[in-house]
Amino acid sequence: EVQLLESGGALVQPGGSLRLSCAASGFTFSSYAMSWVRQAPGKGLEWVSAISGSGDSAYYADSVKGRFTISRDNSKNTLYLQMSSLRAEDAALYYCARGSCSTTSCYRFDSWGQGTLFTVSS
Amino acid sequence: DIQMTQSPSSLSASVGDRVTITCRASQGITSYLNWYRLKPGKAPKLLIYAVSSLQSGVPSRFSGSGSGTDFTLTISSLQPEDFATYYCQQTYSTPPTFGQGTKVEIK
Repeated sequence: EVQLLESGGALVQPGGSLRLSCAASGFTFSSYAMSWVRQAPGKGLEWVSAISGSGDSAYYADSVKGRFTISRDNSKNTLYLQMSSLRAEDAALYYCARGSCSTTSCYRFDSWGQGTLFTVSS
Repeated sequence: DIQMTQSPSSLSASVGDRVTITCRASQGITSYLNWYRLKPGKAPKLLIYAVSSLQSGVPSRFSGSGSGTDFTLTISSLQPEDFATYYCQQTYSTPPTFGQGTKVEIK
């Protein structure tokens, strides 16, 4: 059974940094591209970033480009999202999902975690 | 970016009802249209991919249809576990974008 377990959510000050993690199990992690999707309180879903299975390619939403970095450690079956220069509008429930994107199109997100929440407060 | 517009934003229905949710894309997306169900505290669940393909393990009461810019998710007989929020998603172009969601509530 595919399982994705996010962690790392916290209360962060504006301008701060945070790293989210997603531990994967139940499938060959290195064979799958992964994505992060977020949901701000009371809002809809927003795709944040994607990374190829090898980690060689990464893609970002314009809203986080230059501030967030997606990475993965295939030896640990773990996906990461390093977030910096955090803003109030970044506060959300962050999901990791199994699903890929390229520069032109994406593939369906067929498995998701339950999410990890972080809030921004001064 | 491609904009996805769902309607209605919310609806009230009873167990056993037939429910239809529509999703419109701001430009043609061929068949790159997926549907997800979100419930508080649970992992989002892929229901339908490529407009009408049922994800493995998803009950057959869920179905999808449409093409080009207009798409529909139908639940043929609403069950208690189906009271949730539903999102359409286009994966035709990056960034993938979602509709604003349709909340299905108990009447």
